[in-house]
Amino acid sequence: SQKIEQNSEALNIQEGKTATLTCNYTNYSPAYLQWYRQDPGRGPVFLLLIRENEKEKRKERLKVTFDTTLKQSLFHITASQPADSATYLCALDDSNTGKLIFGQGTTLQVKP
Amino acid sequence: DAGVIQSPRHEVTEMGQEVTLRCKPISGHDYLFWYRQTMMRGLELLIYFNNNVPIDDSGMPEDRFSAKMPNASFSTLKIQPSEPRDSAVYFCASSLGQGARGYTFGSGTRLTVV
Repeated sequence: SQKIEQNSEALNIQEGKTATLTCNYTNYSPAYLQWYRQDPGRGPVFLLLIRENEKEKRKERLKVTFDTTLKQSLFHITASQPADSATYLCALDDSNTGKLIFGQGTTLQVKP
Repeated sequence: DAGVIQSPRHEVTEMGQEVTLRCKPISGHDYLFWYRQTMMRGLELLIYFNNNVPIDDSGMPEDRFSAKMPNASFSTLKIQPSEPRDSAVYFCASSLGQGARGYTFGSGTRLTVV
């Protein structure tokens, strides 16, 4: 069956450290993968997109990798800050249907 | 641009009543999506439109759900009759192209059916 898995346990890290979140998928062949941030009571906000032929993408303190062999994307936030605390969702396109399918999200808590 | 605008922000209704959720997408965006978010199932795509035409409604849970997009600046999601299991946060999102540039989500409508 098709699955997108993100760590359901919250990730707690100290301010200044690098946060690394994982997104694994099964039985999809996405052309691209996206990462979103969601704060409580708000809609998801688009952060980054990485295509299947790109290994890595950066935007300010954010870095995303995409390994189509491992069927995995890693999302890194360097020099993390308490303001980075939120839930982070990965999403991929289902090439069969054209739909954007979301993972359940991982909650990140950055402590001062 | 004010972003994707959804109304109402909160809706509490009794079982059996009709509920209408509204969405104004970003001007110029040609795709509009309705998602539902619950703790158990996460974000689920219900239906999406391209240039006001419904393309895929396979995610609509039952015939009680219907969606329309009469023009490029307005869409509705209707539940009739509503049931307690419909309680969730409903998001509307729009995009330019099918998603390769990311979706812009509204703030959502929190629906509670009692």
